[in-house]
Amino acid sequence: AQSVTQLDSHVSVSEGTPVLLRCNYSSSYSPSLFWYVQHPNKGLQLLLKYTSAATLVKGINGFEAEFKKSETSFHLTKPSAHMSDAAEYFCVVSDYKLSFGAGTTVTVRA
Amino acid sequence: DGGITQSPKYLFRKEGQNVTLSCEQNLNHDAMYWYRQDPGQGLRLIYYSQIVNDFQKGDIAEGYSVSREKKESFPLTVTSAQKNPTAFYLCASKGQGRAGAYNEQFFGPGTRLTVL
Repeated sequence: AQSVTQLDSHVSVSEGTPVLLRCNYSSSYSPSLFWYVQHPNKGLQLLLKYTSAATLVKGINGFEAEFKKSETSFHLTKPSAHMSDAAEYFCVVSDYKLSFGAGTTVTVRA
Repeated sequence: DGGITQSPKYLFRKEGQNVTLSCEQNLNHDAMYWYRQDPGQGLRLIYYSQIVNDFQKGDIAEGYSVSREKKESFPLTVTSAQKNPTAFYLCASKGQGRAGAYNEQFFGPGTRLTVL
C-alpha cells in the first residue's frame, strides 16, 4: 500500500522569502512522486516529478524537490516566493493510480 | 491544442436527481480517471479506466457510475444513491509510455457540483 503525508496544512511566507513544503511517503515499490499545484476553482497543474533519475528534480516556476529515500521524503522548495505562488499544493505518489496528500495551502504576504 | 475539457463548470442538482458530468480528452491517452475533491481531504479516486470498454472502482465508487465507450470520453454519473454529492469533481488522463506507471496525469479544469 502507498500513502502520502503532507506535514503542513497551511504555510504562510513573505514575498521574496523561501518556501518549504514538506512531504513524506510510504510505498512498497520504488515510487514515482509528483508535486501538483491548484489555483482556486481550477484543475491541477504538474510542477515536477521524480521517476528514479536524479534525486534533485527541477520543475516549473522555480520550484524544485529532493527525493531522499532514507527519510522517505520529497520536500518542495522555492528560493524566493512570488505572489502568484499562492495556491494549494499536493504531493502525490504513484504506481498504477495516484495517492494524494491532503494538500498544503500557501499564502504569500506582500 | 491538446487537453482535457470538462463540462459544465458549475452544476446544480436537486436531491434525488441523477446528473452526468462530461470529460473529453484529445491527448490520445488510454487511461482516464475521476476524482472527487472536498476541502482538506485532497483528491479521492472514484473510478478509473485503463482502456476502452473497461473500468474499475476506485476508493469511493458508491453512488457513482461511469462508461467508457470511446477512448476520448469518460462521463461520470452522480446518482441519487450518492448521499453527499456536493463537491468539486476532477477528470484526468494518462498516456502509456515505456514505463506507464511513471507518467503523470493531466487534469481537466473541474466541475463544481452543488446539490440544492
